[in-house]
Amino acid sequence: DAKTTQPPSMDCAEGRAANLPCNHSTISGNEYVYWYRQIHSQGPQYIIHGLKNNETNEMASLIITEDRKSSTLILPHATLRDTAVYYCIVNPAGSARQLTFGSGTQLTVLP
Amino acid sequence: GAVVSQHPSRVICKSGTSVKIECRSLDFQATTMFWYRQFPKQSLMLMATSNEGSKATYEQGVEKDKFLINHASLTLSTLTVTSAHPEDSSFYICSARDRREQYFGPGTRLTVT
Repeated sequence: DAKTTQPPSMDCAEGRAANLPCNHSTISGNEYVYWYRQIHSQGPQYIIHGLKNNETNEMASLIITEDRKSSTLILPHATLRDTAVYYCIVNPAGSARQLTFGSGTQLTVLP
Repeated sequence: GAVVSQHPSRVICKSGTSVKIECRSLDFQATTMFWYRQFPKQSLMLMATSNEGSKATYEQGVEKDKFLINHASLTLSTLTVTSAHPEDSSFYICSARDRREQYFGPGTRLTVT
């Protein structure tokens, strides 16, 4: 029970913004939205997380809807190295509970 | 950010032998460590959760006598695949949690011939 829904795949042109959607309609009030990505044959890499405010770091921006039932990860200028599977996960921050991965979105950045 | 290492990064072993994979948190003490398994074109599946000094908790369907987990210290956990078979060939990923977040290792590719 991953509690999130993501499209299985997306393409994006190199240099353009990649917008990856995630539905989490059953999210609880204390659960954060986390985004990780996994480049082929590597371990998952943390990208960003947020509760209800939009967040931005050096890698990406996270836009969370006001009702918190969905979010969008934005890679502002996608490069070929951003090709990976992107996972959206909901989990209470600081919880001892393990992160549960769904099937994610395979993002392919095209030259 | 916090770093989790795994050793070896890849291993090939013969059917019937045992393989040990190490997971270390390099710059923090991990209150909990997790072991995941990932088959080709599939997502990560949690195998077990281990806390330092106590027995690991295995997910349903994971044989505890086959996948031995030892969490001897706050920075080291080991996974031993005993009597490995070709169907155990997979990508094994460990993860370590401190008080705030969960960090992932680079993974170990196990091939059983």
